[in-house]
Amino acid sequence: GAGVSQSPSNKVTEKGKDVELRCDPISGHTALYWYRQSLGQGLEFLIYFQGNSAPDKSGLPSDRFSAERTGGSVSTLTIQRTQQEDSAVYLCASSRQGFYEQYFGPGTRLTVT
Amino acid sequence: GIQVEQSPPDLILQEGANSTLRCNFSDSVNNLQWFHQNPWGQLINLFYIPSGTKQNGRLSATTVATERYSLLYISSSQTTDSGVYFCAVVPAGNNRKLIWGLGTSLAVNP
Repeated sequence: GAGVSQSPSNKVTEKGKDVELRCDPISGHTALYWYRQSLGQGLEFLIYFQGNSAPDKSGLPSDRFSAERTGGSVSTLTIQRTQQEDSAVYLCASSRQGFYEQYFGPGTRLTVT
Repeated sequence: GIQVEQSPPDLILQEGANSTLRCNFSDSVNNLQWFHQNPWGQLINLFYIPSGTKQNGRLSATTVATERYSLLYISSSQTTDSGVYFCAVVPAGNNRKLIWGLGTSLAVNP
């Protein structure tokens, strides 16, 4: 079946602009995660959604970052007033309810100039 | 919080050689996954292995949860095995987020 999809694959934006990154999880997966991979920090957790529960936002680096998940499926990660240190690959993953194995999308490479 | 350490950080092999990658973690885990990140950046699931031993073709993995380590074995390596291998764990408790090691960068030369 179809895997996790993300769009856009690449995004170049000017410092100070807002960006939206989209994730479409595997059909039937109730859990959705966002991670970030950057040269200086490795891979780090950002936010986790599970069904209708309140999301775990403990990994968001600042209040410029927010995410929502509509209808329990598609998720959007929004970064406001982008900074150069936001440049990274943003990865989305999903997993089945009650299972821990996470499957990853291809990522969105964000470059802030 | 939990620490995840991978070794070696870098590895160069000749095609056909075998290798062992190690992942140590500092606390109990609910989940341990091994991934291969290919040159295009895609994370490919290799094993979901919080305990025990699994095999998939030329790859196998063993996790000894009581001693807090996991091993990934690559046999008869091929150039397509090149890339970065990550170990990631979900700490025991009520969370689901993966905590990542820094990876082992593998280059297999023809």
